[in-house]
Amino acid sequence: QSALTQPASVSGSPGQSITISCTGTSSDVGGFNYVSWYQQHPGKAPKLMIFDVTKRPSGVSNRFSGSKSGNTASLTISGLQAEDEADYYCSSYRSTNTWLFGGGTKVTVL
Amino acid sequence: EVQLVESGGGLVQPGGSLRLSCAASGFTFSSCDMHWVRQATGKGLEWVSTIVPAGDTYYPDSVKGRFTVSRENAKNSLYLHINSLRAEDTAVYYCARATGSSSWYTFDYWGQGTLVTVSS
Repeated sequence: QSALTQPASVSGSPGQSITISCTGTSSDVGGFNYVSWYQQHPGKAPKLMIFDVTKRPSGVSNRFSGSKSGNTASLTISGLQAEDEADYYCSSYRSTNTWLFGGGTKVTVL
Repeated sequence: EVQLVESGGGLVQPGGSLRLSCAASGFTFSSCDMHWVRQATGKGLEWVSTIVPAGDTYYPDSVKGRFTVSRENAKNSLYLHINSLRAEDTAVYYCARATGSSSWYTFDYWGQGTLVTVSS
């Protein structure tokens, strides 16, 4: 069960938009609409940002949005802010109550 | 307010065992799926177990046979028993919940984690 594939790092300037990809297979990302995205600041617990591919939990900024095409899901952060600098992880449901995470992407605000 | 508080981590010798605990409050614990996710220092997240309200349990192949998840609904508590500890089990262990109020397929709240270090 290999991890989902994410770019190691993505960077952008304040105000710009960035997109983080998360590539899996037809057995996980492509087979279910159950992709989530988590934000993790150093030394902190992960925080849910997007679930079920496109849904935002209450309290999460609408600058964060999710999408999926085939076996690749994406997280877009628009209007990048300094506080968005963090690690981001995708996860996908696979089957029979099993989950897979991506390797994580470090977002740097230039 | 939803709270998940892990405890039980520490320094353990290779081959030893450990029981981690997660105390839940602020929600109906007995109705939620509960999960354990670990993170080695500087590494990514790894799902390691799930227990549903009925008590069914699920594990990835990487830990099956060594990890046992359990719950005590009367005490709003989740546990993870780890046997035959290896150096590669060194990580921060988080408990997290899933509920139908958001999605059964996401981890919507996480604890702050407890560090397990396996070393002689």
